[in-house]
Amino acid sequence: DVKVTQSSRYLVKRTGEKVFLECVQDMDHENMFWYRQDPGLGLRLIYFSYDVKMKEKGDIPEGYSVSREKKERFSLILESASTNQTSMYLCASSLAPGQGLYGYTFGSGTRLTVV
Amino acid sequence: AQSVTQLDSQVPVFEEAPVELRCNYSSSVSVYLFWYVQYPNQGLQLLLKYLSGSTLVKGINGFEAEFNKSQTSFHLRKPSVHISDTAEYFCAVREPGGNEKLTFGTGTRLTIIP
Repeated sequence: DVKVTQSSRYLVKRTGEKVFLECVQDMDHENMFWYRQDPGLGLRLIYFSYDVKMKEKGDIPEGYSVSREKKERFSLILESASTNQTSMYLCASSLAPGQGLYGYTFGSGTRLTVV
Repeated sequence: AQSVTQLDSQVPVFEEAPVELRCNYSSSVSVYLFWYVQYPNQGLQLLLKYLSGSTLVKGINGFEAEFNKSQTSFHLRKPSVHISDTAEYFCAVREPGGNEKLTFGTGTRLTIIP
């Protein structure tokens, strides 16, 4: 089975800090995604990447950036954390289009609190 | 842009009773449809998906969903729920072709009452 691992389960950071959320998948998936999950709002796409060094903005990219230097790793960066970025962050991966529509495989999530 | 509506944010159901979780999407083109489940303190797990063919799709844990193109709906059902079904359920949609971006609904929290 594909495994998607998020490096931290819980994080507490101070306002203004630079925050890195790491995600690694072990099944050679081309696509990787970062979502944030908030009560009543469901999952909202922040950024996604369909290849190494490629990235595209999702629906709510403001205040975030991403890095994909290796195929298996997709990092989400909060350049200057703010309290409104307190949320659950979910990483996911999937095969490229045409290679099998298996949907996403999700990591367990990182619950980030910015104080 | 596509959107997904899950009309019920919370659904309480007695154990062993049937349940239906509703999902409607807005798209004038063919779509792929998914249901995911999120157990407490976990990530999302794929329950089932509709890509094409039979409109009745069976998934894991006894769940099934029916695709209705005329009503743009993809409701999730289970004939008899268990305590272990307590979770949040998300409906998602994707247009064929292009990238793999999914649009999710806001989720339905299913609570099973013993």
